[in-house]
Order: sequence, then C-alpha cells, then structure tokens
Amino acid sequence: GESVGLHLPTLSVQEGDNSIINCAYSNSASDYFIWYKQESGKGPQFIIDIRSNMDKRQGQRVTVLLNKTVKHLSLQIAATQPGDSAVYFCAESPPSGSARQLTFGSGTQLTVLP
Amino acid sequence: DVKVTQSSRYLVKRTGEKVFLECVQDMDHENMFWYRQDPGLGLRLIYFSYDVKMKEKGDIPEGYSVSREKKERFSLILESASTNQTSMYLCASSSRSQGKAEQYFGPGTRLTVT
Repeated sequence: GESVGLHLPTLSVQEGDNSIINCAYSNSASDYFIWYKQESGKGPQFIIDIRSNMDKRQGQRVTVLLNKTVKHLSLQIAATQPGDSAVYFCAESPPSGSARQLTFGSGTQLTVLP
Repeated sequence: DVKVTQSSRYLVKRTGEKVFLECVQDMDHENMFWYRQDPGLGLRLIYFSYDVKMKEKGDIPEGYSVSREKKERFSLILESASTNQTSMYLCASSSRSQGKAEQYFGPGTRLTVT
C-alpha cells in the first residue's frame, strides 16, 4: 500500500487474483477522495471516488473503502487482469473556497503476473 | 469525453532558456492545474487557476509562472530553466459546477533541461 507522503513502490499479484492497494491520508478535513490509474507514458486516469459521508463505493471490478477513524483508504480490484498493471495513486481533497485541490500519494506500482 | 491536450510530449531545453508549456481543455472547465511528477514524490502542485486571469500558487511555485488569458488555455512558464526542473509536467482541469474535485489530466510533457 501507500501513504500520502510515503512511498511503497510495488505490489505483485497473480492474474485472476484480487488486488488491494492501501493509502493513509493525512488531512482530517478532507471530505473527498479519488483513486487514479497511470499507465506508462500516459496521464493519470480517474478510476473511482468517494465522499466522506460514505464508507464504501463500488464500480466495475473496483471497490473503494474509506475508514475515517484511522484515515485509511483502500482500492480493491477484483479478478486482476494484465491491463490493470499500472501505478495507482490515491488523492485527498479538503473543502476549498476556490478550486478544490488534490493532494496525491506517491503511488503504488501494481504488476500483474501471468 | 473530456480532452486535455498538452503542446509537446517531449521537450529538451538548455539551462537559462525561457520555456512555455501549453495546455488546452475542451470541456469549459473553470479550474486548471499544473503539476510536476518526479519518481518517489508523486504529483506536486505548481500553480492552479479557478478562472480566467486568476491564479494561485500551489506547493512548489518557485521558478515558475502561469498565464490564463482564455478559459480553455493554461500556460506554464519557466522564466530561466534549470536542470532541477527536468521532470514530467502534467496539466489537469476540473469543473467547479460538478461539486467534485475530479481532475482530468493531459498526457504530460517530459521536459529535459541540459
């Protein structure tokens, strides 16, 4: 997993297994969280988001869990596929009077093994 | 689909040169952002803009300036490029009206300063 501000570089999983990527965020005022996927040579791509009034949100093959008590976020990918190999970033966002800003973690490299 | 484009994918400049990085978005977003991405450090916010001609400093504005003369275009300027500005530069945009912080990213510009 990763922490916003700390670096845990790699996670390897077998194709077909479930992946769990963790993230510890730092700002207790953050009320919005996003997971991004970044493939080599591309910009980050939105995967899923969650607001602080929820503790779980599901998308297609992905689930985000939020534990505000311990300021922890996780991304679960079901039936991991080779195309899921990428760097995954969590980002947190506190309320803002102007543009909402995102603070990104340093990322986790997910490698899917055949 | 939201599209964010950046003027160059790769750029090589000499120390002391003035460098312009251009970003254009086609979704009428109010907010635009410039980040740099370095290994192990994640994405760090340089500057952002929440409206035409409005700009705010991010976490690492030193050595950079920005310009937003039109809503769809946000330029990052390196007044006098230095080797420590060698990095991947990512532009992003987001909508204020959505009430979300989701940012859409361009493909990035890899800048090398020699």
